[in-house]
Amino acid sequence: NAGVTQTPKFQVLKTGQSMTLQCAQDMNHEYMSWYRQDPGMGLRLIHYSVGAGITDQGEVPNGYNVSRSTTEDFPLRLLSAAPSQTSVYFCASSSSSTPGNTIYFGEGSWLTVV
Amino acid sequence: RKEVEQDPGPFNVPEGATVAFNCTYSNSASQSFFWYRQDCRKEPKLLMSVYSSGNEDGRFTAQLNRASQYISLLIRDSKLSDSATYLCVVTNYGQNFVFGPGTRLSVLP
Repeated sequence: NAGVTQTPKFQVLKTGQSMTLQCAQDMNHEYMSWYRQDPGMGLRLIHYSVGAGITDQGEVPNGYNVSRSTTEDFPLRLLSAAPSQTSVYFCASSSSSTPGNTIYFGEGSWLTVV
Repeated sequence: RKEVEQDPGPFNVPEGATVAFNCTYSNSASQSFFWYRQDCRKEPKLLMSVYSSGNEDGRFTAQLNRASQYISLLIRDSKLSDSATYLCVVTNYGQNFVFGPGTRLSVLP
């Protein structure tokens, strides 16, 4: 019963390095999204996708890229890491056909940029 | 103004107390409403959906007032295990979930 799986759970990057956070869901949800969560700021939407091949920007997209080649996968790429990107990242998926129309989260990825 | 606002907290209450959380949203076109619970260093998980008629799930009662754009969550007979951050969530269109900043609850023995 995997649900939403994201990796890695913890990562330390140096300023300027790039990396990809992986996200996969096995619920056949059409909608996937990436959030970051900072103390006192709540969850802020970075990018989202309404289906394979379709992505769009959220509230805080700068410094991040996404792609959606399959329904299952939605990786988040940090192009050139900055200390301001130190945060907890959550991948999520949802579907309008899900009972209650709820959103499901991965366990989070703790990223520190030094 | 933030799209979804919540009581800033934290709320520190003794076991057995009743505690209420408030949430307001700015978009009158918001369609669906939820309360999520987030434990420390964990992902948010659905606590309950909120319906216009109000709904109850055990010790938890949620209310929605569309005219005032206001959502509430009442927890009765608080348990130590209720200690968490409670997130108010609305959807505005499609699958666009907007999260409030959360209200932290600590239930004390």
